[in-house]
Amino acid sequence: EAGVTQFPSHSVIEKGQTVTLRCDPISGHDNLYWYRRVMGKEIKFLLHFVKESKQDESGMPNNRFLAERTGGTYSTLKVQPAELEDSGVYFCASSQSGTVSYEQYFGPGTRLTVT
Amino acid sequence: KQEVTQIPAALSVPEGENLVLNCSFTDSAIYNLQWFRQDPGKGLTSLLLIQSSQREQTSGRLNASLDKSSGRSTLYIAASQPGDSATYLCAVRRRAGGSYIPTFGRGTSLIVHP
Repeated sequence: EAGVTQFPSHSVIEKGQTVTLRCDPISGHDNLYWYRRVMGKEIKFLLHFVKESKQDESGMPNNRFLAERTGGTYSTLKVQPAELEDSGVYFCASSQSGTVSYEQYFGPGTRLTVT
Repeated sequence: KQEVTQIPAALSVPEGENLVLNCSFTDSAIYNLQWFRQDPGKGLTSLLLIQSSQREQTSGRLNASLDKSSGRSTLYIAASQPGDSATYLCAVRRRAGGSYIPTFGRGTSLIVHP
């Protein structure tokens, strides 16, 4: 069974540009989460999808970030326009539907560098 | 606001030692607590998940305990091996509306040398 995959693994862009990150969850997992780790800080929750619906987006930093999950399969996280403080590693995770005790499976992350 | 602290931030030990990694949290109203391992350039791998009603969980050489009232969890690694070298993260989950949001600590970076 394939795990959670993320693309690209690395992205270097200039301030003001747009970047789109993609996450493919494990097949059949209804729950999809985005997290971010800024250098030197802890991993922080961004948002949670249940199928195609946003269950919780309380962690999204501002309106420059837009997450979508069309059709309830893969998800994209767009940053437009990117700022220096957006640099970090963006992780995606997925889990089965049902109780929250189902463990989350994490992808390898996308390292975003904004210069 | 939940805060999670992990001590020590870094640890270097010789192979074979028994280790204790600590995780403390400020709000005891948690749903569960999870320990993860992260290898460089990789995602997080779940090690142990403890529900709020449980006191401990064990998997192989790993044992995690939870004392919710004091806001503490420990991860015990027995007979450490070089392959255990990684960053260990603790995350506590609370309920917020229809979601269960995890709060992570900054991790303990472990090096086990031969």
